[in-house]
Amino acid sequence: DARVTQTPRHKVTEMGQEVTMRCQPILGHNTVFWYRQTMMQGLELLAYFRNRAPLDDSGMPKDRFSAEMPDATLATLKIQPSEPRDSAVYFCASGAPGQHYGYTFGSGTRLTVV
Amino acid sequence: GQNIDQPTEMTATEGAIVQINCTYQTSGFNGLFWYQQHAGEAPTFLSYNVLDGLEEKGRFSSFLSRSKGYSYLLLKELQMKDSASYLCAVRDSNYQLIWGAGTKLIIKP
Repeated sequence: DARVTQTPRHKVTEMGQEVTMRCQPILGHNTVFWYRQTMMQGLELLAYFRNRAPLDDSGMPKDRFSAEMPDATLATLKIQPSEPRDSAVYFCASGAPGQHYGYTFGSGTRLTVV
Repeated sequence: GQNIDQPTEMTATEGAIVQINCTYQTSGFNGLFWYQQHAGEAPTFLSYNVLDGLEEKGRFSSFLSRSKGYSYLLLKELQMKDSASYLCAVRDSNYQLIWGAGTKLIIKP
């Protein structure tokens, strides 16, 4: 059963520290999304890659967040420096344009910044 | 702007039928998705509609009317495990997903 793998599953860090979240998309998928989900905001798009090229990162606070795809098997989301308001669940999802079976989500990284 | 509307919360009884509505206004249309999300878990894909009409998959069905910008998810023979949030999402002309805020479905015995 193909799956999107995210690490770590949980992260507790102190304000000001750097946080790096990783995602391994499903092999063959060329589209990768990073989402943030909170109770108040629902699913917010942070970044969107197709064939490793960033297509949209307008939802991402650029002063502290960065997203990259160094290769087709790895996507990273970095926060530096982290703040308490960044506490949320961060999901990665992968898929291919035009597919009718939707995008597959990873299990998410639950981030707590204290 | 782009907008997806769905009810915040619905309550239904075990064994009954419930319909969750979704209306949308987006820049282009390349399909509508329904996802299920249990508390503390990731969203999982339920259904996809790109043409008008009803798509049936077991106890779940999804309907689309593109001219009305409207979809619904129909859940039959409700089970306690169907208690979850149901997210409606539209894929726009840039192949991005525009998400609704989700409908929390509470099933009572």
